[in-house]
Amino acid sequence: DGGITQSPKYLFRKEGQNVTLSCEQNLNHDAMYWYRQDPGQGLRLIYYSQIVNDFQKGDIAEGYSVSREKKESFPLTVTSAQKNPTAFYLCASMPGQGYGYTFGSGTRLTVV
Amino acid sequence: GQQVMQIPQYQHVQEGEDFTTYCNSSTTLSNIQWYKQRPGGHPVFLIQLVKSGEVKKQKRLTFQFGEAKKNSSLHITATQTTDVGTYFCALLRANNLFFGTGTRLTVIP
Repeated sequence: DGGITQSPKYLFRKEGQNVTLSCEQNLNHDAMYWYRQDPGQGLRLIYYSQIVNDFQKGDIAEGYSVSREKKESFPLTVTSAQKNPTAFYLCASMPGQGYGYTFGSGTRLTVV
Repeated sequence: GQQVMQIPQYQHVQEGEDFTTYCNSSTTLSNIQWYKQRPGGHPVFLIQLVKSGEVKKQKRLTFQFGEAKKNSSLHITATQTTDVGTYFCALLRANNLFFGTGTRLTVIP
């Protein structure tokens, strides 16, 4: 079955450590996205990539970095510069205009 | 930037009652999408509306886009416990999706 795989589902890290969240899709979608969701809140866009080797900052990119070396993969690194990294991180992809996003099952990151 | 406000923030209904959530914008929207997120889950795409005055139905769910394309609504008839979750509207602009604040629906059996 085609879809988006995010791993791990739960992640615990110590403050000051960088951590990389994985996102892999086999839908052959060009566009991929990272969102952050805080408890009881909506989704906020961190980074997006419309095509391989290209990505753009979203509304809350500070403290995060991404890469898009392959069409299938769009990993997100949460750096130590991110002041409040504990959140639910969602990866998504879209085949093109007029279609809905397909989301992965998310990674819950807790920084202690 | 263009913002979409969603009301109410929370809604508790008795099973069998109807439910409506609204999205409102101060500017004209080119399109609007609706998503459902179950508790502990991820958003799932429900529908996209593009045309002024458009009405689309999915079983007990009715989606409407206002004539002026500044508001949209999602109505659920005769709610069931499976309808529990948060419903988000979202604006698609330049291939990026900007989400409303969501309405959390609780259905009391």
